[in-house]
Amino acid sequence: SSELTQDPAVSVALGQTVRITCQGDSLRSYYASWYQQKPGQAPVLVIYGKNNRPSGIPDRFSGSSSGNTASLTITGAQAEDEADYYCNSRDSSGNLDVVFGGGTKLTVL
Amino acid sequence: EVQLVQSGAEVKKPGESLKISCKGSGYSFTSYWIGWVRQMPGKGLEWMGIIYPGDSDTRYSPSFQGQVTISADKSISTAYLQWSSLKASDTAMYYCARVLRGYSYGRKRYYYYYYMDVWGKGTTVTVSS
Repeated sequence: SSELTQDPAVSVALGQTVRITCQGDSLRSYYASWYQQKPGQAPVLVIYGKNNRPSGIPDRFSGSSSGNTASLTITGAQAEDEADYYCNSRDSSGNLDVVFGGGTKLTVL
Repeated sequence: EVQLVQSGAEVKKPGESLKISCKGSGYSFTSYWIGWVRQMPGKGLEWMGIIYPGDSDTRYSPSFQGQVTISADKSISTAYLQWSSLKASDTAMYYCARVLRGYSYGRKRYYYYYYMDVWGKGTTVTVSS
């Protein structure tokens, strides 16, 4: 089982706002990063650190964190946002460089 | 343009050895970590390990320690993932990714976190008798 917990599936109506969460003790100390993966494609980094978007990522994607929970928010979800989303951070001991959450399947209705 | 180009799909039999590659271009290959990620069919992402090509410093996830070997040849900007004896359970997609490190400061110390900004397209490995 992963040290980072994500809801397996989330849905959102087209144009609405959706929050995808990632929970874990390590998130009290370390930032999470977020990846979008569409079927048959490699993951793409969408948010890293406190709330940073790589070049080319739409500004409808944002990140936040509170306590042991990191969140990825999509404001005004588009059909092309339908994908799997994964968070990553460190493990709770800080010894393991990278752990991934189990992933959240986002459906845009 | 920063790119990671992975080697092509492989079909192997149990017990065979395999080495797949990941060639970096468009950046200083020796200055960034390269990580390997496994994705089994229909499953999530799993962290395998990381290498710093500049000095070959390598760290493995406990789940993969002893199961695979990560290496790099900085002269040709290429990282590798290899198996000495494949199992059917090694059937998966394998991604390499450039790994960056960020940090935050609090409680009188730095907290370093890692994220992957550029990914290869993946190498499919199928192990079947």
